[in-house]
Amino acid sequence: ETGVTQSPTHLIKTRGQQVTLRCSSQSGHNTVSWYQQALGQGPQFIFQYYREEENGRGNFPPRFSGLQFPNYSSELNVNALELDDSALYLCASSAPGPGTDTQYFGPGTRLTVL
Amino acid sequence: GQQVMQIPQYQHVQEGEDFTTYCNSSTTLSNIQWYKQRPGGHPVFLIQLVKSGEVKKQKRLTFQFGEAKKNSSLHITATQTTDVGTYFCAGRHGGSQGNLIFGKGTKLSVKP
Repeated sequence: ETGVTQSPTHLIKTRGQQVTLRCSSQSGHNTVSWYQQALGQGPQFIFQYYREEENGRGNFPPRFSGLQFPNYSSELNVNALELDDSALYLCASSAPGPGTDTQYFGPGTRLTVL
Repeated sequence: GQQVMQIPQYQHVQEGEDFTTYCNSSTTLSNIQWYKQRPGGHPVFLIQLVKSGEVKKQKRLTFQFGEAKKNSSLHITATQTTDVGTYFCAGRHGGSQGNLIFGKGTKLSVKP
């Protein structure tokens, strides 16, 4: 196990609603990245947080936003949910330093948008 | 946008047969990583390759990074049922600040 935890495990929302997903990073890791994994696809990079600031963003609209807290835990917020937002959302922590490499993934949150 | 292409999408093998998955990028990668995701699980880091032409081995797994740092492969010798899962490559463009781009993965099934 990586020591990265995510909550909740599963979530069902309806179109237009807002959702907040949470992640606790592995001890000693100050960089957290969020990925969206649609069924049968590879993880797609959403954004990365380092020292409480966004440090890199993938091709996702502004309704995807995040936070990182002083204890390095992180939140992913998605506003105005769309059906295509249904996916597994993975949080990954990595060792100190932005852009550093090995990603330690959490178990993910399965989001279903109806 | 930058992409990392991975083939094949699926591979079915008999236990004991070999398996290879290939990863290609149109642009030079600063490094490439490989992950394994078991059914219902999350990606687990296997290895990172950084140097041009690098070859690394982990027991029955052999990883290669191309001379031009645009392609990579993972080869499994004598597959076992425990090898079942989806194997992803993930490449980083643009140095240490680049985003990690995952391929779509190769799903391996092993028939006992």
